[in-house]
Amino acid sequence: NAGVTQTPKFRVLKTGQSMTLLCAQDMNHEYMYWYRQDPGMGLRLIHYSVGEGTTAKGEVPDGYNVSRLKKQNFLLGLESAAPSQTSVYFCASSYHSNQPQHFGDGTRLSIL
Amino acid sequence: AQSVTQLDSQVPVFEEAPVELRCNYSSSVSVYLFWYVQYPNQGLQLLLKYLSGSTLVKGINGFEAEFNKSQTSFHLRKPSVHISDTAEYFCAVSINQAGTALIFGKGTTLSVSS
Repeated sequence: NAGVTQTPKFRVLKTGQSMTLLCAQDMNHEYMYWYRQDPGMGLRLIHYSVGEGTTAKGEVPDGYNVSRLKKQNFLLGLESAAPSQTSVYFCASSYHSNQPQHFGDGTRLSIL
Repeated sequence: AQSVTQLDSQVPVFEEAPVELRCNYSSSVSVYLFWYVQYPNQGLQLLLKYLSGSTLVKGINGFEAEFNKSQTSFHLRKPSVHISDTAEYFCAVSINQAGTALIFGKGTTLSVSS
């Protein structure tokens, strides 16, 4: 049972480049989330989804887009990367908003 | 809107000493509360949760937390810590409303030394 899998684990981009982070879960969870973690800031919610085909903005959505075309996958896109988006990105999933979230191991992204 | 405050950003303790990591929350409705642990270079793992029932919740690795509604707190405790407990700990809150997400505190770094 893989749980939540994030791809890639590490990436270095140049300012202005685009990329997509992939999150896959095999637990049939309805809810999926993307967070970013920065020193001293805790986890901040970027976007989330309450089911296939739905997305919603979190606390820090600017500069990111997401898609949930399949229930098991949640994609996070950066259209034009900026140095301020250098961070560790975590994906999580849960059955419901009041149930524990299961986390992936994170993606370390550096924007030069 | 809900919010979570972890009162200590860093907590240094010696091995085998007791520890308490403090968490306060604010909400106008009933809440669900969680503690997560993050070891270096890993994702977050659930330590324990309070959904309803007994206010004293026991979790993994010997941790427990007590839900105090009057003080809006959910402090995490362990009677005797080990070196391996060194990690970052996050308190989180949610409400029972479809379409909402967890709100995390900024984290407390627990450093256990010998």
